[in-house]
Amino acid sequence: AQSVTQPDIHITVSEGASLELRCNYSYGATPYLFWYVQSPGQGLQLLLKYFSGDTLVQGIKGFEAEFKRSQSSFNLRKPSVHWSDAAEYFCAVGPLGANDYKLSFGAGTTVTVRA
Amino acid sequence: DADVTQTPRNRITKTGKRIMLECSQTKGHDRMYWYRQDPGLGLRLIYYSFDVKDINKGEISDGYSVSRQAQAKFSLSLESAIPNQTALYFCATSGGSGGVRETQYFGPGTRLLVL
Repeated sequence: AQSVTQPDIHITVSEGASLELRCNYSYGATPYLFWYVQSPGQGLQLLLKYFSGDTLVQGIKGFEAEFKRSQSSFNLRKPSVHWSDAAEYFCAVGPLGANDYKLSFGAGTTVTVRA
Repeated sequence: DADVTQTPRNRITKTGKRIMLECSQTKGHDRMYWYRQDPGLGLRLIYYSFDVKDINKGEISDGYSVSRQAQAKFSLSLESAIPNQTALYFCATSGGSGGVRETQYFGPGTRLLVL
């Protein structure tokens, strides 16, 4: 079965420092991969997605992610973190079946930004 | 105005009560989803609807039912609430012809406490 693992439950980073969030997936075919962010009290917002092609994907808010098939990973990065990046981040993979719209979400990584 | 709205935003109820969570969207999307978020578990799909006439169970549909009253409205009901249904509930929508490539747009969530 398809699954997504986010190994880090919580990460604390200083403002201005770089950030990397890990995502590993288990999938039988070429996956579609997504990163969503959930700011406090808000719903989820799409940061970026990967379907095919260039394995380095640029997203909104200065985030990027790199697809590495050999490592079954899709890690999210940001070179310099801002206080407003404090949020919970979810990696997701799909589809879960043919002609399917469903995604499987990881458990999330909470990011705390310290001044 | 928000594209995806959920009512109520917060709800406290007692074991055995029937409650309904409502979701409305102005994005004109055909597909709508209900997720449940629990700490450490990420988002899990409860039900999804491809269009008004097509409703499907997700991975954790037991104890829940849904109604797609119109393209823009998708309601989630707990027929007889129990404490382990205490969670944060999200509605999401997607549209276009991209299948799982479609971006899902999330509402702000409903926080439910079952006593």
